[in-house]
Amino acid sequence: SAVISQKPSRDICQRGTSLTIQCQVDSQVTMMFWYRQQPGQSLTLIATANQGSEATYESGFVIDKFPISRPNLTFSTLTVSNMSPEDSSIYLCSVEGDRALDTQYFGPGTRLTVL
Amino acid sequence: KNQVEQSPQSLIILEGKNCTLQCNYTVSPFSNLRWYKQDTGRGPVSLTIMTFSENTKSNGRYTATLDADTKQSSLHITASQLSDSASYICVVNTGNQFYFGTGTSLTVIP
Repeated sequence: SAVISQKPSRDICQRGTSLTIQCQVDSQVTMMFWYRQQPGQSLTLIATANQGSEATYESGFVIDKFPISRPNLTFSTLTVSNMSPEDSSIYLCSVEGDRALDTQYFGPGTRLTVL
Repeated sequence: KNQVEQSPQSLIILEGKNCTLQCNYTVSPFSNLRWYKQDTGRGPVSLTIMTFSENTKSNGRYTATLDADTKQSSLHITASQLSDSASYICVVNTGNQFYFGTGTSLTVIP
């Protein structure tokens, strides 16, 4: 299994500012995923972050708004830039587990509120 | 269009009772189907993973079924406990992409 931690666990931010969310995994993983979960909705994949290459963004998400860093195999950051109230959401980091078991592990999430 | 639909949207049951959550999907191709439990304020936790050839899989009081022909899955919870109160999310994997259902919010009351 993989243990994933995220910082901060929650934050309240002002419109127009940016927040960087950190994701730390207790083991080396190739692929890390960032999801958004808006109030009352299911998860939506923002992007896939591989170490040493540019992140791959899903439709509707762009690098200027959600820049991602992946400096090594255990760490990634997601920045929510120029925030608006519509960005209020839970942001989750995820990694693949054992390929043979085809597992996926999620971090505890970062609850963001934009005023 | 690849979609995963879950029903009911929310459910309230008495402690000790059984319940069944439904998941219908139109996702193709199919690699596997997962059920996750998400406690309030926490990330999802995997309950079961089922491949095309598996019809049923159990994890304690949780039993998932899969009918790949009709593209339906269910999650049955036996002898519910207060700690079962959570959102349950059905996820279908094509092998390249995950498709998430909107979840069923389960509340177990004493």
